[in-house]
Amino acid sequence: NAGVTQTPKFRVLKTGQSMTLLCAQDMNHEYMYWYRQDPGMGLRLIHYSVGEGTTAKGEVPDGYNVSRLKKQNFLLGLESAAPSQTSVYFCASSLTAGTSGYNEQFFGPGTRLTVL
Amino acid sequence: GQQVMQIPQYQHVQEGEDFTTYCNSSTTLSNIQWYKQRPGGHPVFLIQLVKSGEVKKQKRLTFQFGEAKKNSSLHITATQTTDVGTYFCAGLEGNTPLVFGKGTRLSVIA
Repeated sequence: NAGVTQTPKFRVLKTGQSMTLLCAQDMNHEYMYWYRQDPGMGLRLIHYSVGEGTTAKGEVPDGYNVSRLKKQNFLLGLESAAPSQTSVYFCASSLTAGTSGYNEQFFGPGTRLTVL
Repeated sequence: GQQVMQIPQYQHVQEGEDFTTYCNSSTTLSNIQWYKQRPGGHPVFLIQLVKSGEVKKQKRLTFQFGEAKKNSSLHITATQTTDVGTYFCAGLEGNTPLVFGKGTRLSVIA
């Protein structure tokens, strides 16, 4: 099992450009998440999905869109990148969520994005 | 909304010294999880605490969940260079998504 994979690993964008980050998991997990990590800020939830075809907003959703057309994939889109979106982006997945068991999150290796 | 605060932000210790990081929630939690992130790596799940007053051990790591389920701690005995990294707590309240603390970065001086 590859676990959670993210594409690309690094990317540099100019302000106003768009891009899509791809997350894939092969663990048949229902739940998937996108986080951003900035120095001293910990992990902040951007959007998440509780199953194929569903998405929901997290703590910092502005400027981002997501789609979960297939259970194994969760895409994060930036329509018009801004320097404030320079960050490391982590995707994660979990079998369950809430207070049930098996709710630990498995993280991908991250995508380092720089917006100039 | 729910907030999870973690202290200290940084901790530098000599190898062999003990280390503790503390996590406090503004609300009562259903459970709490701990993750470790090595430098340049991604967060990796360590443990989940569910019961009030629960204490769990993993080798030199001891995790505690407060009686009121609003705080937690991670204690490492006799730190080693392999313990270097950032330790995050993450609180769960009902069925809302996990809320992560900002983490404690541990440096170990050999």
